[in-house]
Amino acid sequence: SQQGEEDPQALSIQEGENATMNCSYKTSINNLQWYRQNSGRGLVHLILIRSNEREKHSGRLRVTLDTSKKSSSLLITASRAADTASYFCATDGFAAGNKLTFGGGTRVLVKP
Amino acid sequence: GAGVSQSPSNKVTEKGKDVELRCDPISGHTALYWYRQSLGQGLEFLIYFQGNSAPDKSGLPSDRFSAERTGGSVSTLTIQRTQQEDSAVYLCASSLVGGSSYEQYFGPGTRLTVT
Repeated sequence: SQQGEEDPQALSIQEGENATMNCSYKTSINNLQWYRQNSGRGLVHLILIRSNEREKHSGRLRVTLDTSKKSSSLLITASRAADTASYFCATDGFAAGNKLTFGGGTRVLVKP
Repeated sequence: GAGVSQSPSNKVTEKGKDVELRCDPISGHTALYWYRQSLGQGLEFLIYFQGNSAPDKSGLPSDRFSAERTGGSVSTLTIQRTQQEDSAVYLCASSLVGGSSYEQYFGPGTRLTVT
């Protein structure tokens, strides 16, 4: 199974609502990253959070990390139709070397 | 500046044929990654290049898959004797330096269809 697993697998919300998705992982990590993917093509980096950080913000994005629970959450506030995409968490894990392991993603649909 | 580019964007091939997929990373990026993404799934790591070090090939699914990176820049992923299960989007990414502390910049991918 994968190091990072997102929950829920799919999320449908109205424009203006907040979207929250979670990522759980199995082994200790140094860093956790979140990426967005539109239309099944290239991914775009959103935010990186280090294992000694608990929360980071970037614009309408808020990421939390709870290393005791081995989980992270991504919150998108005041969602827009353009936020419709798949969101992936990626972790390193001490056994993964320099690689990132990606979860299966959360598909977010923001309805206008 | 130019991002990561990949070619071709789409490739349809017959089962048993060989294919080559190309990746041009961002200039100056020393790390290059290849991933595979099946329909509606997450990314599966294939191979990682860092500078002149030996590549990490631990994700290659079979010996039909190989990759090289010439001159520390352009990379080619080769799939020999393609099978239908090889159908997927192949994504390339580069980063300034290897390691999970650096964000990866992704190309648009090559959609491979094996008929």
